[in-house]
Order: sequence, then C-alpha cells, then structure tokens
Amino acid sequence: GESVGLHLPTLSVQEGDNSIINCAYSNSASDYFIWYKQESGKGPQFIIDIRSNMDKRQGQRVTVLLNKTVKHLSLQIAATQPGDSAVYFCAEKISTGNQFYFGTGTSLTVIP
Amino acid sequence: EPEVTQTPSHQVTQMGQEVILRCVPISNHLYFYWYRQILGQKVEFLVSFYNNEISEKSEIFDDQFSVERPDGSNFTLKIRSTKLEDSAMYFCASKQSQGGEKLFFGSGTQLSVL
Repeated sequence: GESVGLHLPTLSVQEGDNSIINCAYSNSASDYFIWYKQESGKGPQFIIDIRSNMDKRQGQRVTVLLNKTVKHLSLQIAATQPGDSAVYFCAEKISTGNQFYFGTGTSLTVIP
Repeated sequence: EPEVTQTPSHQVTQMGQEVILRCVPISNHLYFYWYRQILGQKVEFLVSFYNNEISEKSEIFDDQFSVERPDGSNFTLKIRSTKLEDSAMYFCASKQSQGGEKLFFGSGTQLSVL
C-alpha cells in the first residue's frame, strides 16, 4: 500500500498561538491532497485541499503548504482556538486512481 | 449544507452474524466509498464504487464484504459473517467527480462484534 505518515503523533499549543502539523507522503504520483479534522466520535471533516500544481493554498485561518521535492505537506492553523483540538489527517490521491490514502493522524490539543 | 448520512450510528452484533451498514451519499455525487477506522488507528480504504460497480478495493475487502446501491439514494456495505476483528468505525464517503474533488465523509457507524 501507499505510505502517508505524520511526523508527530501529538501536538500541544497555547490558545492564540499558531500550529503547524506536518505530513510526509511517499508516492510522487500523488496529485491531490486533503487535510481532514476528526473530532472524537465523528467522521473526518474536510478542511482544505491542494493540487500538486500548487505550492500553497490559504483558507480561513488555515494554510496548506506542499513541497513536492521532499514529498512533504503541512497544515498551518493561525491563532489556534480550543475548538481546533482534534486529530488531523492528511490524505493523498494518486493521479491514476480514485482512492485516498490516509496518514496516522496528529492529535492537536489547544491549551486555554 | 449537503452531507453524507449513515445509519445506524452504532451496531452491536454477534460473531458470525451478517450486518448491513447503510449510507445516503450526497445527492449529486457519483463516486462512493467505504473506509474503516479501528480505534486509535488510521482511516483505511475498503472499496470505491462508481457507475454501479466496484472500481477499486483493498486487501481488507475480501469475500465477506459486499457493496450495493439498491436504489438511487442508498449505498450499503454488507459483512456476511462478522469476525471480532471487524470491530471498527465504518465511514461512508462520496465525491462528485473523477478528478481530485473533495471527498466528504459521513459520521460513521461504530460496529462492535462480540
């Protein structure tokens, strides 16, 4: 199978600080990436996506950076809030298929 | 906002019994998926479905599993003879088109096999 992994399994940040969650992927043929947020007992919630022809994409308080050279993806959350506490997954899709491969997740805890 | 809905939210069954997990994908979506997540582990792909047939499946999706779209709105996952190791959260997901489009997930069915 494909390999999508996260560098840190847990991350704790102070409320108001910025958070950076990292993800490494292994397949250079991956052309589309999604970051998901999963709260306890719920399904993955779409946060932001990026295609491989882009390096950066910004949403509301979130930014995704893609470095294809080193096959690395990051999610930056600005002014982290307690409601951001969740597990964050990156998922990749290769250009020739329709299935998404998920990483193991990073648990983000925001300290009030 | 349209959403993927799954029923039931929890299912408890005895080992060897058949279970059917139900999903209603977003109405204008054409690609449907089942994923599962064992407690504390990553989300794992099971199967994708398009145009009334399976398009991709993983090694997990063996002969005990089947999927069906019995009508224009429902998408089901059947496990014929459940095993203890089938205990997991099962997620249905859908997306609109073939390209790298957003994949939307339901809230899941927690299956417990006793």
